[in-house]
Amino acid sequence: QSVLTQPPSVSGAPGQRVTISCTGSSSNIGAGYDVHWYQQLPERAPKLLIYTNSNRPSGVPDRFSGSKSGTSASLAITGLQAEDEADYYCQSYDSSLSAFFGTGTKVTVL
Amino acid sequence: QVTLRESGPALVKPTQTLTLTCTFSGLSLSTSGLCVSWIRQPPGKALEWLARIDWDDVKYYSSSLKTRLTISKDTSKNQVVLTMTNMDPVDTATYYCARIDTTIVTHDAFDMWGQGTMVNVSS
Repeated sequence: QSVLTQPPSVSGAPGQRVTISCTGSSSNIGAGYDVHWYQQLPERAPKLLIYTNSNRPSGVPDRFSGSKSGTSASLAITGLQAEDEADYYCQSYDSSLSAFFGTGTKVTVL
Repeated sequence: QVTLRESGPALVKPTQTLTLTCTFSGLSLSTSGLCVSWIRQPPGKALEWLARIDWDDVKYYSSSLKTRLTISKDTSKNQVVLTMTNMDPVDTATYYCARIDTTIVTHDAFDMWGQGTMVNVSS
């Protein structure tokens, strides 16, 4: 079963830049499958934040950006704001078209 | 406006079978390219994908849970149903349904989610 590994937590002061890594393997991200990112505010359902590695849905601020390279992907938040305090999950697929989520990262705004 | 709403029992006993329903509005489940997945999240833990059913009735299951899961759809009611057998306390979680529309730019991302329904497994 595929595993996508994320750091449990990252933190930053308002206005700073933080990055969240998502490490996969040659059977998922490294095999060419796209990575999507979701933001989950406390007690809320997840919301699509970045799709197909680096694209933002309408309404998502350009402070959020995504990238993918090799067997990993990253989410960056620039100009960190208090409202960005949430859990963030990456997601990809494997050859059986099973979806997999990352282990999740809690972002804390100091 | 497209919405998804999950429904089902809040409490089930160990060994029982759980049946959850995801009701769609604003879009027909027979629309080409439309896929619906079930995803769960135990309290304080990460998201876990469970199953998916496509507009053409193709189905996919989590390899670790496939012996316990069945996903189906009733297009006339615009509903997707997930059954999970032999429930255990470790299955306590919030269960979400989520949409994929392969015909739009978001492609295979879960672009819309229901609010989730919490299921407790306890005797």
